[in-house]
This record gives sequence, C-alpha cells and structure tokens, in this order.
Amino acid sequence: DAEITQSPRHKITETGRQVTLACHQTWNHNNMFWYRQDLGHGLRLIHYSYGVQDTNKGEVSDGYSVSRSNTEDLPLTLESAASSQTSVYFCASRGDSYTDTQYFGPGTRLTVL
Amino acid sequence: AQSVTQLDSQVPVFEEAPVELRCNYSSSVSVYLFWYVQYPNQGLQLLLKYLSGSTLVKGINGFEAEFNKSQTSFHLRKPSVHISDTAEYFCAVSAYGGSQGNLIFGKGTKLSVKP
Repeated sequence: DAEITQSPRHKITETGRQVTLACHQTWNHNNMFWYRQDLGHGLRLIHYSYGVQDTNKGEVSDGYSVSRSNTEDLPLTLESAASSQTSVYFCASRGDSYTDTQYFGPGTRLTVL
Repeated sequence: AQSVTQLDSQVPVFEEAPVELRCNYSSSVSVYLFWYVQYPNQGLQLLLKYLSGSTLVKGINGFEAEFNKSQTSFHLRKPSVHISDTAEYFCAVSAYGGSQGNLIFGKGTKLSVKP
C-alpha cells in the first residue's frame, strides 16, 4: 500500500542548530506540503511543492526551507532552530486535482531547547 | 482569501448521544470543504468532503456533514457517538485554482466522548 512516512518521529535539539525533517511518500504525488501544528492554531502551512524543483512559501515560512529533487521526498530544514519552532510537524501529499484527498504522515514532534 | 472558523474548541458528550461539530467558512469564490480527524499521536485522515452536488455528504465511521451555502456552514454530525470517536476534528476549505487550492484549516474541535 502507498504511504507517507516521516523521520524522525521525535527530535530534541538546541537553539541555533540546523535540523532536517524527512518526508517520503510512495503515492507518486506531485503535490507535497509541510504544516506545523500548535495548540490553539490548528495546522498552518509552512512550505509546499507542486513538483520536482518547485517550492513555495506558505503562511509561516520564516526560518524554514525545503528542496524537491525527486517526486518522493520533501525534506524540511530549520536553518537555525529557535524555541518558537517547538511544534509537531506534519508532511502531506495530494494528487493533481484540488478535489483529491490529502494524505498526512504521522508527524514529527520537535523540541528546541 | 479563505478562512475557517470552528466555533467550539472542545465538545464533551456522553457515549451514544448525538453530536454536532460546527464549522463556518469565509470565501469570495466557490470552495471545496473537508473534515479531517486526528486520533491521539497520529496524523490527520479524511472523514468526508463536499465537492458539488448533494449538500448532505456521508463519510466514514457514521459521520455526515451538510453544506449550507447561504449560511456558509459545513457542520459535522453523528447520531450516536462511541468512545472511539474521541479525537480532534478539523474543518478545512480550499478554493479553485493555484495556491488557493491549498487547504486552509480551522483550529480544531476536540471531541471527548465519556462513558
């Protein structure tokens, strides 16, 4: 069965360190998304990609970057981690139609000390 | 731009009672509407979606939602809840075309089903 996986599932890091969260999907979807989930805020879009070599900023992109070198992977990098980036991060992918279901990974819980 | 308001952050209910989780949206263009569920320590999964046609949409696990264009609402209902329905529920909206096709989520409603 197709799936979307994230690694690591839990990460503790220190302020100022660079951190990369991995996202891998086997749906062969062109569209991939990164969200963060915080209490009282729901899910907010960080970055998204509509295909290889395409990346776009979402609502809360400051301090984050992504790159898309193949269809399956969209890694999220925190260039210099800050305590405000402590959150749960979800990756998602979707087929080519806006009506297609968006599938979510299990999440990565990141703590920045 | 679109926005979503989930009117209740928490809804406690007893097992076998009916429940309604409220969702209102704002948009200047036509939209698609979705409800997602998140069980503890898991990702989100789709419950149901409204694309067009019949305004009453049936989803998984006995849930249904009704699209009301005049009231810009998409409330989620279940006639009889189970303990296993305890989860957080998110309403989401997307519009036609470009980045407007990306999902905009509400802040979520935590449903707590008590025995």
